[in-house]
Amino acid sequence: DGGITQSPKYLFRKEGQNVTLSCEQNLNHDAMYWYRQDPGQGLRLIYYSQIVNDFQKGDIAEGYSVSREKKESFPLTVTSAQKNPTAFYLCASSIPYGLAGDARESYEQYFGPGTRLTVT
Amino acid sequence: AQKVTQAQTEISVVEKEDVTLDCVYETRDTTYYLFWYKQPPSGELVFLIRRNSFDEQNEISGRYSWNFQKSTSSFNFTITASQVVDSAVYFCALSEANPSEDYKLSFGAGTTVTVRA
Repeated sequence: DGGITQSPKYLFRKEGQNVTLSCEQNLNHDAMYWYRQDPGQGLRLIYYSQIVNDFQKGDIAEGYSVSREKKESFPLTVTSAQKNPTAFYLCASSIPYGLAGDARESYEQYFGPGTRLTVT
Repeated sequence: AQKVTQAQTEISVVEKEDVTLDCVYETRDTTYYLFWYKQPPSGELVFLIRRNSFDEQNEISGRYSWNFQKSTSSFNFTITASQVVDSAVYFCALSEANPSEDYKLSFGAGTTVTVRA
């Protein structure tokens, strides 16, 4: 079955430790994204990558880092510099924009099940 | 500036009632895309619909229907004859299809729908 996997579902860490969240997709999508969701709020973009070996900061990149060495994988590291790391983290992937020739098309993103990170 | 506004924070209905979720967006682009997602209690966002700015035809899919009106910058979503399984948070999102925005999605804050048996 095609889809996005995130592991683990729940993660607990002590303050001051770095932690890496996994995201793998087998949808053959070029674009991948990381979002953060806090209780009662919408999604905020952390980092995104439109192609392998390239990624861009989103709206709240401070305290996070990513890598994109393979098309299928886009791990997110929450560093000790992130002041408020406890949150629900969602990974997504999509066909990159503009696939249909010159048409400026934007495609839906497909989401993984999320990782709930708690830092104490 | 908030690009997508979902003014309703929570809606509670009894099963079989209809529910309409409001979404108002803001953009200066002439080409853009609108989306609705559902987030059940399990947490995973489920894609429901994608609409481009040139297609104002309203759509019905089973118990779901969408009303896109460019004149009022709205893309409302209605669930007909609601069921308990419709209980979830629903998000409206906008993608401004221009390279400077990298076609990113801007999400509204979400509307929590609770359907009581």
